[in-house]
Amino acid sequence: ETGVTQTPRHLVMGMTNKKSLKCEQHLGHNAMYWYKQSAKKPLELMFVYNFKEQTENNSVPSRFSPECPNSSHLFLHLHTLQPEDSALYLCASSQGKPDPNSPLHFGNGTRLTVT
Amino acid sequence: AQKITQTQPGMFVQEKEAVTLDCTYDTSDPSYGLFWYKQPSSGEMIFLIYQGSYDQQNATEGRYSLNFQKARKSANLVISASQLGDSAMYFCAMRRGGGADGLTFGKGTHLIIQP
Repeated sequence: ETGVTQTPRHLVMGMTNKKSLKCEQHLGHNAMYWYKQSAKKPLELMFVYNFKEQTENNSVPSRFSPECPNSSHLFLHLHTLQPEDSALYLCASSQGKPDPNSPLHFGNGTRLTVT
Repeated sequence: AQKITQTQPGMFVQEKEAVTLDCTYDTSDPSYGLFWYKQPSSGEMIFLIYQGSYDQQNATEGRYSLNFQKARKSANLVISASQLGDSAMYFCAMRRGGGADGLTFGKGTHLIIQP
């Protein structure tokens, strides 16, 4: 069983819907991440949180809105998405500072389809 | 900016043979970490092995070893005695040192082990 749990596993939504992806880590980590994985592209880092504070936003469109209420939970709120946003969304966590080279531990991902 | 290059989109290998998956990287940071991940068809990203830029020895983890050649900026993954369960996508990734930044990933290599 993975230490990082993502729900739902699959999501189909229309372009006018609003939905949220949820991620929870049980590893006692301080940093959490959202990645997007599209076919034939490298994983794209979207957001990074350290101790609940957002430290990185890689020019992600505002239709993606992250929320990190505490070090164990991370959400990705979605609204008015486009078909090209269909992808596998992966959440990850790591020890973060002061151990910068700790590996990321990933969840199983949410497969999102925008119709 | 950091960049990871994996030049082998796909590989077919006979069971029990050794496999080398290529990875080259580009960074101007003096301190960085290199990671390899495995992604089976189920989608979960599984951490395999880590190498720090200042580590003198090549990293090893069971059947996995990392052939780190700093001057050539390469960090190839070697899998000894391949097994059918090794069939998956393999990603090389890098993080610059000093923080809890997200990892930069390559495009991956699809490894298929044949009986």
